[in-house]
Amino acid sequence: GQQLNQSPQSMFIQEGEDVSMNCTSSSIFNTWLWYKQDPGEGPVLLIALYKAGELTSNGRLTAQFGITRKDSFLNISASIPSDVGIYFCAGTGANSKLTFGKGITLSVRP
Amino acid sequence: GAVVSQHPSRVICKSGTSVKIECRSLDFQATTMFWYRQFPKKSLMLMATSNEGSKATYEQGVEKDKFLINHASLTLSTLTVTSAHPEDSSFYICSASGTSGRAFTNEQFFGPGTRLTVL
Repeated sequence: GQQLNQSPQSMFIQEGEDVSMNCTSSSIFNTWLWYKQDPGEGPVLLIALYKAGELTSNGRLTAQFGITRKDSFLNISASIPSDVGIYFCAGTGANSKLTFGKGITLSVRP
Repeated sequence: GAVVSQHPSRVICKSGTSVKIECRSLDFQATTMFWYRQFPKKSLMLMATSNEGSKATYEQGVEKDKFLINHASLTLSTLTVTSAHPEDSSFYICSASGTSGRAFTNEQFFGPGTRLTVL
């Protein structure tokens, strides 16, 4: 089946630093999505990408849909304490179902 | 807009009992609703997809007689965990999509989740 790979499982950064997260797959995806999940909550959509090569920003967040359609990255600039949470990449492929990566837990030290 | 609620947010039950979780789209009509299960520090795993008025489509390995899904209206879907056992303890999240999303068509909007603990 379709799988999305995210690593490492956890990232620790200092407040104010930038951070980049990658998501890769062996399959082609037609849509790439980045979600943030706070503890005990459902995921919230941060950025949606639906065109290979597309680069999209949402405030301090920037994400790109890889040209090969097999990867995407999310950048967070000038991190703040409320950026802590779990960041999931997700995508829809040939079967149109939403597949999630395993997520990266981000910690921000003040 | 595009708010999805779940009730209850937390439930604790005894082994062998059944638990019903509700998922509602508050300000839009959800033609399709999805149920996911999430274990601690793990990804969301799709359990089933339901279209209003139709039987749910379950993912491989998900017991349809164990996890009963009803999508009787365009704003409500229910998941009933029947004869619950401790291994059913998990975080259950629903999502809903309508005919037009904010970011893209068929965008899924997620509920806040329900924490089920089976003793």
